[in-house]
Amino acid sequence: DQQVKQNSPSLSVQEGRISILNCDYTNSMFDYFLWYKKYPAEGPTFLISISSIKDKNEDGRFTVFLNKSAKHLSLHIVPSQPGDSAVYFCAASDIPPYGGSQGNLIFGKGTKLSVKP
Amino acid sequence: EAGVAQSPRYKIIEKRQSVAFWCNPISGHATLYWYQQILGQGPKLLIQFQNNGVVDDSQLPKDRFSAERLKGVDSTLKIQPAKLEDSAVYLCASSFIRQPTYEQYFGPGTRLTVT
Repeated sequence: DQQVKQNSPSLSVQEGRISILNCDYTNSMFDYFLWYKKYPAEGPTFLISISSIKDKNEDGRFTVFLNKSAKHLSLHIVPSQPGDSAVYFCAASDIPPYGGSQGNLIFGKGTKLSVKP
Repeated sequence: EAGVAQSPRYKIIEKRQSVAFWCNPISGHATLYWYQQILGQGPKLLIQFQNNGVVDDSQLPKDRFSAERLKGVDSTLKIQPAKLEDSAVYLCASSFIRQPTYEQYFGPGTRLTVT
């Protein structure tokens, strides 16, 4: 049973336009959410995160929105650039990033973003 | 700052053979993770260490998989004997114990093919 779902395997956008990647989760105990980007033959790299006490977090061209009532989050990339072409993974954790124990990340299957020049 | 190192990068073995992967985390990171990523899936946690102790190995197939982190630094993951369904990329990640953004730093992974 998938607790973190990325229902779009792929997304293609034009350079300069907005990319919107979506993620849904089922576990209401999830308290922290992250997006990772992965290039071929490399490990995932952290992009941006959001705590469940917030509904928005912004970092440069990247913004993550969280809708707790809908158990949905999205990653917006504006403007999209060809170098953003990668697989994007949504991940969730049910333990806050403080305290003495690190919780586990549950990953979605990923969405492959292609940004065309 | 050096990243997470993993070796080998690629490995091809026949089923029922044994294989071992090595990981050296970022200096100072007390927590180390091993993930399995099957083609078309997201990474799935196999085992988590904090220093040299196991925090969570609930998803590790213990009949064939083993892992150790003897001195609280580098780690090895072993599969014995390998099955066809073990073909995957094995990712190692590390983090500080208290990471404000809950970020994990991943190595490049080892791509295992079992024939």
